[in-house]
Amino acid sequence: AQSVSQHNHHVILSEAASLELGCNYSYGGTVNLFWYVQYPGQHLQLLLKYFSGDPLVKGIKGFEAEFIKSKFSFNLRKPSVQWSDTAEYFCAVSLMGAGNMLTFGGGTRLMVKP
Amino acid sequence: KAGVTQTPRYLIKTRGQQVTLSCSPISGHRSVSWYQQTPGQGLQFLFEYFSETQRNKGNFPGRFSGRQFSNSRSEMNVSTLELGDSALYLCASGPSGREEETQYFGPGTRLLVL
Repeated sequence: AQSVSQHNHHVILSEAASLELGCNYSYGGTVNLFWYVQYPGQHLQLLLKYFSGDPLVKGIKGFEAEFIKSKFSFNLRKPSVQWSDTAEYFCAVSLMGAGNMLTFGGGTRLMVKP
Repeated sequence: KAGVTQTPRYLIKTRGQQVTLSCSPISGHRSVSWYQQTPGQGLQFLFEYFSETQRNKGNFPGRFSGRQFSNSRSEMNVSTLELGDSALYLCASGPSGREEETQYFGPGTRLLVL
């Protein structure tokens, strides 16, 4: 069965620290990859997505992610976090050609200390 | 443009009852997907609708059903409620149901089953 794993459930960083959140998936076919963010009290919103092409994807607010096909990974990075990045981050995968059915990871709660 | 709206925002029901939740997509969007979010299981896909047709269905029992109307509004129904159905139910809409499009999530309906 398809699955998405996010290794860190909770991460605490100080402002200006670098961030890397891990995401690994288990899928048998070609995949589309996403990172969503949920800020406190707000809706889920898309940070970035990968469908094809350059495996290094840049998103909003300075986030980027790298698709490494051989490792079935799509890790999220940001060189310098801010207090406003405090949120829950979800990695998600869909199977190419299978519509908009997303399989989500369990989420990572990030707290950035000012 | 108004975002995805979901009604009601909060709901309390008792075991055995049924419930109907509503989702109005962003104006012009034709694709609607539903997700269930719980602390234990995370975000799980329920259904996807496009042009009044169900395109995908997640691994949920038949008590969970949905439909989409000609104006793209969607409803989901849960019959014979169980305690485990307590969750946040999220709806997402997309312009034309293509995988590469961004899906926009609503605020959710929080259902509590007593």
